[in-house]
Amino acid sequence: GAVVSQHPSRVICKSGTSVKIECRSLDFQATTMFWYRQFPKKSLMLMATSNEGSKATYEQGVEKDKFLINHASLTLSTLTVTSAHPEDSSFYICSARGQGPLRTGYTFGSGTRLTVV
Amino acid sequence: GQQLNQSPQSMFIQEGEDVSMNCTSSSIFNTWLWYKQDPGEGPVLLIALYKAGELTSNGRLTAQFGITRKDSFLNISASIPSDVGIYFCAGTNFGNEKLTFGTGTRLTIIP
Repeated sequence: GAVVSQHPSRVICKSGTSVKIECRSLDFQATTMFWYRQFPKKSLMLMATSNEGSKATYEQGVEKDKFLINHASLTLSTLTVTSAHPEDSSFYICSARGQGPLRTGYTFGSGTRLTVV
Repeated sequence: GQQLNQSPQSMFIQEGEDVSMNCTSSSIFNTWLWYKQDPGEGPVLLIALYKAGELTSNGRLTAQFGITRKDSFLNISASIPSDVGIYFCAGTNFGNEKLTFGTGTRLTIIP
């Protein structure tokens, strides 16, 4: 089945530094990737949608300069949290959708726990 | 952004009991998905529904796509310890690839 690998699973960084999170589709080509943020005991909130080779589309209220998304290939998308602050600490999850009918579904990565100290 | 309302918010049951949860929306979706999320992990797809009125099973799980297209239900029969986790519904429409997630139902099994 479709597998999405997300790395790292956990990261601790100092305030003011940048952190890059990778999302890879291992056995299919992901035309579209999604980045979500999840606070403790809350639901997933969509941050942005990225299509291979084009600029990401950000949801309202998400700072595009702070959360840089790159989808340079059909198997890799990256999210860079720039100048991280403690309030950016959260669980970030990517999702990839392949070509074909919607039945192929959305496959999620295992998430990245970001802690900014 | 929009969220779907799930109820109940949490459930405490004994092993072997059946579970029912639902998801409601103020707007119509033409696809409903049910996911399970374990702690520290990403959601895993359980069941996908594509047609109003559709009833679909996956082992002990059964989900239904509401006739109004504004709701969906998930039932789990004869619960087992590995059913513990958070269940999310999600809706989407053709032509719009975004998923809108529900608020989640946390399932706990009491020893």
